[in-house]
Amino acid sequence: IAGITQAPTSQILAAGRRMTLRCTQDMRHNAMYWYRQDLGLGLRLIHYSNTAGTTGKGEVPDGYSVSRANTDDFPLTLASAVPSQTSVYFCASSVGGESYNEQFFGPGTRLTVL
Amino acid sequence: GQNIDQPTEMTATEGAIVQINCTYQTSGFNGLFWYQQHAGEAPTFLSYNVLDGLEEKGRFSSFLSRSKGYSYLLLKELQMKDSASYLCAVPDSNYQLIWGAGTKLIIKP
Repeated sequence: IAGITQAPTSQILAAGRRMTLRCTQDMRHNAMYWYRQDLGLGLRLIHYSNTAGTTGKGEVPDGYSVSRANTDDFPLTLASAVPSQTSVYFCASSVGGESYNEQFFGPGTRLTVL
Repeated sequence: GQNIDQPTEMTATEGAIVQINCTYQTSGFNGLFWYQQHAGEAPTFLSYNVLDGLEEKGRFSSFLSRSKGYSYLLLKELQMKDSASYLCAVPDSNYQLIWGAGTKLIIKP
C-alpha cells in the first residue's frame, strides 16, 4: 500500500513555465489538499477538494489551479511559474472534509523557480 | 481572524521531559491537532484534542484548555529520534486547518 505519492520529488523550473505537480492516493479518501511549506511560515493551504468533482480555495490560491476528476488524483498546476512559488509542496488526504479527520501527507515536492 | 503561536525552537536533553506550548485564536473551535515533522519529511499525525484536559498516548501527551486558547504537547523520556518539528493546527471557519509555524525540538545527548 503506497498511501499518497507525489511526483516529481524535486524540480528546477524557469520562470514563466507551466508545471503540474502530481498527487495520487490509494486510500479511497474523499478529501485532498495541497499545501506549501516555507521556512518560518508553516504549512499554508493552497486548494482543497472535499470530494471528487469539487474544489475550493485555501489561504494562498493565486497562481495555482487544481482539478479533481476522480477520487485518487489531485494535480496542482502552476500556469506561469514565478520565483515566489519556490517552496516545498505537500499533498495530503483525509477520509472526509470534516475538521476532525487526520490528514495523511505525501512525501513532498521541492520546487525551485529561477 | 485565526492566529497560532508556538515557540520557534527548544532544546532538551535525552531522557528528560519537554513541554511544547501552542496558543491559538479562532472565531469558533473545532479541535486542535499536533503533528510531528522530521527534517526533510512529511508531517505525521500525533494527536487531536477537542475536549479540555490531558490525553496520554505512550510517551506523548497533549493538553487542551479551550477557555484559555492553549494547548501543550508533553514528551517524556526523550529519545534522539524525537528531534523534529512539532506543528500545532486548528480548523478555520471553513473547517480547513490553519497551521502554526512549528517548534523545532533539538535533543542533546
